[in-house]
Parts: sequence; structure tokens; C-alpha cells
Amino acid sequence: DIQMTQSPSLLSASVGDRVTINCKASQNINKYLNWYQQKLGEAPKLLIYNTNNLQTGIPSRFSGSGSGTDYTLTISSLQPEDFGTYFCFQHNSWPLTFGSGTKLEIK
Amino acid sequence: EVQLVETGGGLVQPGRSLKLSCVASGFTFNNYWMSWTRQAPGKGLEWVASITNSGGSTYYPDSVKGRFTISRDNAQNTLYLQMNSLRSEDTATYYCTRGTSDFWGPGTMVTVSS
Repeated sequence: DIQMTQSPSLLSASVGDRVTINCKASQNINKYLNWYQQKLGEAPKLLIYNTNNLQTGIPSRFSGSGSGTDYTLTISSLQPEDFGTYFCFQHNSWPLTFGSGTKLEIK
Repeated sequence: EVQLVETGGGLVQPGRSLKLSCVASGFTFNNYWMSWTRQAPGKGLEWVASITNSGGSTYYPDSVKGRFTISRDNAQNTLYLQMNSLRSEDTATYYCTRGTSDFWGPGTMVTVSS
């Protein structure tokens, strides 16, 4: 099974900050990596698919990068509505697996 | 507008069965693989099952293989998850997702407890 190691688990940042969240796969996942945002009591929402493709309707301050085993979600200028928990997800091979999540708090 | 609506959750005793449904609308259902993903209270996300657009192939993690069965009715735009031999560790919110999980339903809660 592919393990997804996500870091940090908790992140506190200020409005306007540049924020990065990382996911490291235990083996090459060929860029089949999605990023989600989840707010309390809601379903996850897709932000980025296949490493660097912005989902329709998602603000351009969100971006993704990476290859092989290492992937990054970047928020270029943090906004108050960006609080929540972020998950990465690999869909390269079975079983599909998620990162453990990064809780983003706004200072 | 893509919509996925799950139903069928509830309280069930350990060892019993439950069947979840997900009605899809706003897209051509039989063009997409579909999946179930779950989230235990206060925990992370766990993929549970996937099915091809025709229903001809299914996939499961070891944690549910042999106990859960995913199926679909393309004529009714409906996805199912039959859950047998339920355990306390199956307690979670179950989400129906489209394709490589680009859209998610709001989820249905399953509680396994005596």
C-alpha cells in the first residue's frame, strides 16, 4: 500500500501569509494527487487535481506542484475563509489512500 | 449542477447489515466510476470501495474486503454500498464520490453499537 505522509499536521498562519502543505508518498504516484479542503461538518471539497490542475471555481491563490513522491499545496495569500483541514489523496494505485490531514488555523 | 445524495445510514448492532444508497444527478452517471469514502468521527478519510462505470469491476481495501459490496444501477442513477458483518470500527460518515473524487455528497452517518 502507498503511505501518504502529510505535513505539518497543524499550521497557524496570518491573513496574507504564503502557506505550504506537503505530502510525501511512499512510492511514485505519477502525479495522481488531489488536494481537498474540509470544513467542520461538511464534505471535503476538491481544490487541485492531478498535482497542479485548479478545480473549477477555486480561487487562483491555491496551486499545486510536485512529481514522483513529493507534492505541495500552496496558498499564495491566506484569506480568512481558508481555515479548515486539508487532505492529500493519491489515486495512482489500489488501495487509494489519503494523507492524515493538515489543520490550518488563522491567527 | 452535480448532486450526490446519500441515504441509509443509522444505528446498527455489531454483526448486522446495512445498505447505503447514493442518488446522482446533474451528470451522465454511467460515464463515471463511483466510490465510497468514509470518515470516523474526528478522524481522517479512508477510501472504502470503487466501481467502474459499467459495474463490471470493483475494488476494496483489505479493511472491508469480503464484508462490503459496492454496486450500481445505471438506469436509476444510483450507487449502493452493502455492508455486512459490521464492526464498531465501521462507525463513520460515509461519502459517495464521483470519479477520482471530484464531487462528494454530504454524507450519511453509520453508527455500529450495541
